[in-house]
Amino acid sequence: EVQLVESGGGLVQPGGSLRLSCAASGFTFSSYWMSWVRQAPGKGLEWVANIKQDGSEKYYVDSVKGRFTISRDNAKNSLFLQMNSLRAEDTAVYYCAREMGGYSNIEYWGQGTLVTVSS
Amino acid sequence: DIQMTQSPSSLSASVGDRVTITCRASQGISSWLAWYQQKPEKAPKSLIYAASSLQSGVPSRFSGSGSGTDFTLTISSLQPEDFATYYCQQYDSYPFTFGPGTKVDLK
Repeated sequence: EVQLVESGGGLVQPGGSLRLSCAASGFTFSSYWMSWVRQAPGKGLEWVANIKQDGSEKYYVDSVKGRFTISRDNAKNSLFLQMNSLRAEDTAVYYCAREMGGYSNIEYWGQGTLVTVSS
Repeated sequence: DIQMTQSPSSLSASVGDRVTITCRASQGISSWLAWYQQKPEKAPKSLIYAASSLQSGVPSRFSGSGSGTDFTLTISSLQPEDFATYYCQQYDSYPFTFGPGTKVDLK
């Protein structure tokens, strides 16, 4: 059974940093592109970033470029999102997600972790 | 960036109704479109990929169609567990983008 478990969310002040983690199990982690998707309170879904199997390709939505960094550790079956210079508009539930093999749509989702940026 | 729109933004329906949701892309995306279902306070669930292919385990009452810029999600006979918000997403080009969602509630 595919499991994706996020951690690392919490309350942070504007301008602060936070590192999200996602522990993956139930599949060969190193064989799949992985993504982060977020959802602000009461709003829709927003794709944030994704990363290739070996970490050699990474893509970001414009609003987080230069502030967020996606990375992975295939030896530890883990995905990360380093978030710097956080803003109030980054407040959201952040979902770790596994893309479908051979496609780029999301096949599996984690349960999400809440990040709140507020003073 | 490719903009995704959905219509309607919400709809009220009864159990057993046939429901159709439309998704439109601001430029052609071939068949690189997915549909997701989300219930309140829950993570999204993947329903359809490549515009018309059902994810494993998804009931056959769900179907998708379309290509290019216009797509539809159809629920042939709405069930109580189908009341939720539905999102389309294009994955033709970066950044991948979602539609604003369509909320399906009980009439």
